[in-house]
Amino acid sequence: AQSVTQLGSHVSVSEGALVLLRCNYSSSVPPYLFWYVQYPNQGLQLLLKYTSAATLVKGINGFEAEFKKSETSFHLTKPSAHMSDAAEYFCAVSDRGGATNKLIFGTGTLLAVQP
Amino acid sequence: GAGVSQTPSNKVTEKGKYVELRCDPISGHTALYWYRQSLGQGPEFLIYFQGTGAADDSGLPNDRFFAVRPEGSVSTLKIQRTERGDSAVYLCASSPTGVPSYEQYFGPGTRLTVT
Repeated sequence: AQSVTQLGSHVSVSEGALVLLRCNYSSSVPPYLFWYVQYPNQGLQLLLKYTSAATLVKGINGFEAEFKKSETSFHLTKPSAHMSDAAEYFCAVSDRGGATNKLIFGTGTLLAVQP
Repeated sequence: GAGVSQTPSNKVTEKGKYVELRCDPISGHTALYWYRQSLGQGPEFLIYFQGTGAADDSGLPNDRFFAVRPEGSVSTLKIQRTERGDSAVYLCASSPTGVPSYEQYFGPGTRLTVT
């Protein structure tokens, strides 16, 4: 069965600093991987997804993630943090091994951006 | 265009009462998902509809939970004899198809509080 682990429930960076949010997955089949962002009192919004094409995936708002099969990782990065990036970020894997395409989420990482 | 909408946005109910939560997916989306997000956790899958039928209800925690999608668009999640442990944000998502690489579009959620 698929699973996702997000290391670090809280991450704090300074404005302009590198953002690195970690995600490791476990999957018995080639995974589809997603990063979603959740702003307060809003629904989840897709940042980017990996669907077995290019391993370096670029998303919205300057975020990108690299699929590394050898490390079973899909870490999210952004070169320079903005105040508007403060939100909760969820990594998810699509359950392709089952009968549905439900998403299996990690526990989330709350990103704080300090001025 | 209109996104996924959910009503009500907030629901407070007493223990033991019955509640209904509504989801209006994006027009034309055949796949519809319900998730539950408890405080400090990532969303957890409840049920998946493809058209009118529940293709996977393996995430429903017990028989107090039931969901319908009679015409293949709007869905209602029904909870009988609510318990305090049911308090959470209930998220609905829709997707153009059930293909796993497709994005799921999330609504803003219904915050359910059982007192």
